[in-house]
Amino acid sequence: QTVVTQEPSFSVSPGGTVTLTCGLSSGAVSNSHYPSWYQQTPGQAPHTLIYSTTTRSSGVPDRFSGSILGNKAALTITGAQADDESHYYCVLFLGSVFRWVFGGGTKLTVL
Amino acid sequence: QVQLQQSGPGLVKPSQTLSLTCAISGDSVSSNTAAWNWIRQSPSRGLEWLGRTFYRSKWYNEYALSVKSRITVNPDTSKNQVSLHLNSVTPEDTAVYYCVRGGYHFDYWGQGTLVTVSS
Repeated sequence: QTVVTQEPSFSVSPGGTVTLTCGLSSGAVSNSHYPSWYQQTPGQAPHTLIYSTTTRSSGVPDRFSGSILGNKAALTITGAQADDESHYYCVLFLGSVFRWVFGGGTKLTVL
Repeated sequence: QVQLQQSGPGLVKPSQTLSLTCAISGDSVSSNTAAWNWIRQSPSRGLEWLGRTFYRSKWYNEYALSVKSRITVNPDTSKNQVSLHLNSVTPEDTAVYYCVRGGYHFDYWGQGTLVTVSS
């Protein structure tokens, strides 16, 4: 069973830059996995940030950006703000058998 | 603006069937570009895609391997709704269930329904 990997936690200073990653237990992440990223605050449904690797969802500030870095998908937050403190999830399309698989999420702390 | 309004019981007994409904506004369940997914979230399993239905000249259904033998996702074109039925539930199926519009990514989410499986 293929596992989608994310850092369990990360910390960033206000105004700083942080890059969260999304990998595969076997193989490299590519655009054909259609990586997408979601932000979730407690008690709320996830909210789409980035889809198809690099496309920002409507209304998402441009300090959020997506990319492929090495063999992983990446979400970079530039100029982190206090209200960016959330859980961040990636999901990958793994084809006709496994379909969509979510990562375990990264808890981002801004302090 | 697409809105997804979920409804259904929050408590289901073990071995019974979990049934949820998602009322769609701002889009059509018969859309040729959208798909209608069910995703759940629990502390033990995280976010898990369960299945979807979509219309591309005919209706298609796709399900996660983990629940394939127990799940049905059905469109209701007369009410512009989509339903989830998960049978033979166990406490492991306790989770928040989300109705979600999406193709290769998930753009609109319902409010979520906490379903507890307990006697």
